[in-house]
Amino acid sequence: QLQMQESGSGLVKPSQTLSLTCAVSGGSISTDGYSWSWIRQPPGKGLEWIGYIFHSGSTYYNPSLKSRVTISVDRSKNQFSLKLSSVTAADTAVYYCARNGDYTGLDYWGRGTLVTVSS
Amino acid sequence: DIQMTQSPSSLSASVGDRVTITCRASQTIINYLNWYQQKPGKAPRLLIYGTSSLQSGVPSRFSGSGSGTDFTLTISSLQPEDSATYYCQQSHSTPFTFGPGTKVEIK
Repeated sequence: QLQMQESGSGLVKPSQTLSLTCAVSGGSISTDGYSWSWIRQPPGKGLEWIGYIFHSGSTYYNPSLKSRVTISVDRSKNQFSLKLSSVTAADTAVYYCARNGDYTGLDYWGRGTLVTVSS
Repeated sequence: DIQMTQSPSSLSASVGDRVTITCRASQTIINYLNWYQQKPGKAPRLLIYGTSSLQSGVPSRFSGSGSGTDFTLTISSLQPEDSATYYCQQSHSTPFTFGPGTKVEIK
């Protein structure tokens, strides 16, 4: 059974960089046919897809965040990471990592981690 | 971006009722439509992918239908554990986008 776990800083100051890592266990991040996504959810609000990465390192970012987002993969550690720069209070959210199949949706999710942007 | 809308935004129904949630896309997404269930404090859970394929482990009372721009999620007999918010999501075109959610409450 695939499991995913987010980790990283829970409190980030405005203008700084948010950094999160998603550790994947019970399966390989190098499996073909899947991409690895980050999604966020501000408190009490809906879901926003941030972007995804393939094990090859190919990425796609939501244009609304593209200038501030970097997603990377570490196949040796079976994990992928998110960096979001120049954060503001609007970036306060629960951040989820998830696996995305080509035609099968976001089928595995991490539990999510709350990141608060505050001085 | 493809905009997703859902109706109703919330509903209240009794145990055993048939519940239908509608999702509409701003342009055709063929059948690249997924449904998720989210309970408070939990991650979303995939229920339906590709409009009508039931994810492994999901009860058969959940079903999906539609094509093009109009889709529905049906719960054939509402159970107490179905109290949650339901989101549709299109995976036809990047950026993948979600609907605003439908909150289902049990009377």
